[in-house]
Amino acid sequence: DTGVSQDPRHKITKRGQNVTFRCDPISEHNRLYWYRQTLGQGPEFLTYFQNEAQLEKSRLLSDRFSAERPKGSFSTLEIQRTEQGDSAMYLCASSYGGSGNTIYFGEGSWLTVV
Amino acid sequence: AQSVTQLGSHVSVSEGALVLLRCNYSSSVPPYLFWYVQYPNQGLQLLLKYTTGATLVKGINGFEAEFKKSETSFHLTKPSAHMSDAAEYFCASVNSGGYQKVTFGTGTKLQVIP
Repeated sequence: DTGVSQDPRHKITKRGQNVTFRCDPISEHNRLYWYRQTLGQGPEFLTYFQNEAQLEKSRLLSDRFSAERPKGSFSTLEIQRTEQGDSAMYLCASSYGGSGNTIYFGEGSWLTVV
Repeated sequence: AQSVTQLGSHVSVSEGALVLLRCNYSSSVPPYLFWYVQYPNQGLQLLLKYTTGATLVKGINGFEAEFKKSETSFHLTKPSAHMSDAAEYFCASVNSGGYQKVTFGTGTKLQVIP
């Protein structure tokens, strides 16, 4: 069990640039989630995939954000035309099966927009 | 809509003293409840969870929590704090039906004083 893997762990980008984060969930986990966490706050839900289908998107996810999970395995989160307000840690998580099952989190990808 | 409230954004205890971190939930139906711990610059690690059955649940590192439906609470305790317990703790809830959209509290930062 290699856990949920996220890449890159840290990214510094200039305002207006595009960035992409990758998440590799635990093998055979059919559910994948993206969360955003800013300093002093709890993680906030962004989006959820069951297999390859994106079933829910938060209102926090503006048109500049897009997430994909081709083939129901790894997922990418792209932010276009980054803004300083996008600076946060982006957490990926995965789980399998019912709603009482444990959700496993990756170590997060820190984004700093300068 | 469900929500989670953590009382006290910062808690300080002496090493060896009781740890008590408070969490109250709001949900139309009893949710599943979780406590996660986050060390600096890391992702979230599950401490314990309550789904059904025994209302006193034991987790890793000597932590436990009790689900009290009458008080809509799920407080986290540990009899004797260790320096290594210093971290941020998040209470979270999940709808007991449907998919696992996790709602997090704002977190409580635990400081352990030698």
